[in-house]
Amino acid sequence: GESVGLHLPTLSVQEGDNSIINCAYSNSASDYFIWYKQESGKGPQFIIDIRSNMDKRQGQRVTVLLNKTVKHLSLQIAATQPGDSAVYFCAENSNTGKLIFGQGTTLQVKP
Amino acid sequence: DAGVTQSPTHLIKTRGQHVTLRCSPISGHKSVSWYQQVLGQGPQFIFQYYEKEERGRGNFPDRFSARQFPNYSSELNVNALLLGDSALYLCASSLVGSSYEQYFGPGTRLTVT
Repeated sequence: GESVGLHLPTLSVQEGDNSIINCAYSNSASDYFIWYKQESGKGPQFIIDIRSNMDKRQGQRVTVLLNKTVKHLSLQIAATQPGDSAVYFCAENSNTGKLIFGQGTTLQVKP
Repeated sequence: DAGVTQSPTHLIKTRGQHVTLRCSPISGHKSVSWYQQVLGQGPQFIFQYYEKEERGRGNFPDRFSARQFPNYSSELNVNALLLGDSALYLCASSLVGSSYEQYFGPGTRLTVT
């Protein structure tokens, strides 16, 4: 069935380092991918998105890469800060209004 | 402008009871989706409503139902609560039903004892 999965459940990085969070998806019909950040006790917060006709998209300190050949998505966070500590989810959408989420990766930033 | 709002914030119910959760979308957004997030997992899609009509339903039993009002707010109802219904219930709003961008509210934490 459709699924979006994450390679690592927990990622621990030093403050100031770059972080890379990976995600695999299985539905080749998905044409839109989103990264969400969820802090404890809060709802998911939209970070960045990318459509399937793109390979890379940059935001402020974040970059999303999409490799459709291997169905892989990654989120890169530059100069990781303590405020970046959260659970990160990738999600896919195929214009059905239904987001399919992965399990999530916990990012821990060490001072 | 206010974001997506949900009420109540927390709720404790007993098995077999009924619960109603409420959501107000971002002003101007006409579509509301509901998700269930069990601790340690990603959100799971329950329903999407657009212009007061159900546009999609996830793999949830008939005990779960929802509706959308003329002002685009929405209610999620769950009957005959089970312990396994304990979760964070999230509401997301989008401009139209086919919009990719969905913005989430803070959620309602439901505990069933």
